[in-house]
Amino acid sequence: AQSVTQLDSHVSVSEGTPVLLRCNYSSSYSPSLFWYVQHPNKGLQLLLKYTSAATLVKGINGFEAEFKKSETSFHLTKPSAHMSDAAEYFCVVSLADGLTFGKGTHLIIQP
Amino acid sequence: NAGVTQTPKFQVLKTGQSMTLQCAQDMNHNSMYWYRQDPGMGLRLIYYSASEGTTDKGEVPNGYNVSRLNKREFSLRLESAAPSQTSVYFCASSETPERGYTFGSGTRLTVV
Repeated sequence: AQSVTQLDSHVSVSEGTPVLLRCNYSSSYSPSLFWYVQHPNKGLQLLLKYTSAATLVKGINGFEAEFKKSETSFHLTKPSAHMSDAAEYFCVVSLADGLTFGKGTHLIIQP
Repeated sequence: NAGVTQTPKFQVLKTGQSMTLQCAQDMNHNSMYWYRQDPGMGLRLIYYSASEGTTDKGEVPNGYNVSRLNKREFSLRLESAAPSQTSVYFCASSETPERGYTFGSGTRLTVV
């Protein structure tokens, strides 16, 4: 069985400060891991993916995530938040029968 | 533009009515998926199709049926809509799970 836990349902940061969105996973297999972003009333957009190559993965819009097998974590970070980063973020584990989604973290950017 | 196209974008149904949500992809992907999104629940898999001619149940299949009409199209049918099926429905496709998924823009369904 596999599961994904996003540790924070809401995260609020000030514009220009770092962003950290936390994700832990459990999987019986070597997982593929993803972060997706969903802006209000929009579909889901792939931010980045880990597929057993480099453990530090760079994505779009300045986001990156580090796969830590010993901690079963795949946290998403960005050095400096922008107002346009306000959105819902989903950590996702992939196996052959589809994706398992975390429940999402709502990122709020304070001006 | 290449991608996943869902129709309709919005729909209001009365309890007991039926409807079919359409999904088509033009990326020659083998696998297609239907998810529903509810507040605080993330996305939950309803049905998927690993290849043309096959379909399998996901986490929340009750009240739904699917048809993989050909490699491009994967439809989701509600035979007798219930208020509990009020949700946003997303179709997705993939070449392989490791490469990630492409999502459609969603169908917002309200059952009254």
